[in-house]
Amino acid sequence: DTGVSQDPRHKITKRGQNVTFRCDPISEHNRLYWYRQTLGQGPEFLTYFQNEAQLEKSRLLSDRFSAERPKGSFSTLEIQRTEQGDSAMYLCAGRGGSETQYFGPGTRLLVL
Amino acid sequence: AQKVTQAQTEISVVEKEDVTLDCVYETRDTTYYLFWYKQPPSGELVFLIRRNSFDEQNEISGRYSWNFQKSTSSFNFTITASQVVDSAVYFCALGSSYKLIFGSGTRLLVRP
Repeated sequence: DTGVSQDPRHKITKRGQNVTFRCDPISEHNRLYWYRQTLGQGPEFLTYFQNEAQLEKSRLLSDRFSAERPKGSFSTLEIQRTEQGDSAMYLCAGRGGSETQYFGPGTRLLVL
Repeated sequence: AQKVTQAQTEISVVEKEDVTLDCVYETRDTTYYLFWYKQPPSGELVFLIRRNSFDEQNEISGRYSWNFQKSTSSFNFTITASQVVDSAVYFCALGSSYKLIFGSGTRLLVRP
């Protein structure tokens, strides 16, 4: 158990709807990452927080995506006006003092 | 450019066979980290090992062993006496600065 939890574990939505995912790392994880994984591929980096500051964003993160980590603890990832191409597994990872990222169980999104 | 290549898409072995998963990486950084993660059908990425670029010592952990060779930019993973529970997708990843760059994964099927 990595101590990183994600909610919900599964989400089915209709195209055009907004969705929000939550990630709760352990308190020692001052760094938090979001990745997206499509079928048959490895995870791809989306964005990175150190405490509450969002330090890096991938070009994969279009204007419809926004992420926050308001108090440096939990984080949310929101997708507005979902498209079928957004269907994927969204993974959150936490990292403390070492270089290792510990992943949560992921949120599987299906956009109909 | 930074890149991780896992040329083996899928491997099938019979229980108790040894199996090696290949990983080749590209980076211009002098300091970097290499990782292996396991992704069982449940979807959660499980951390297996981390090596830094200055440490080329091979490592053994139970039935698992890793061979890091900077000269060939490879970080291969061997499972000795494979078991059915080893069936999963295995990802090699390159860590540099803030993010992980994953290969496309190798699906390992261990048949009884």
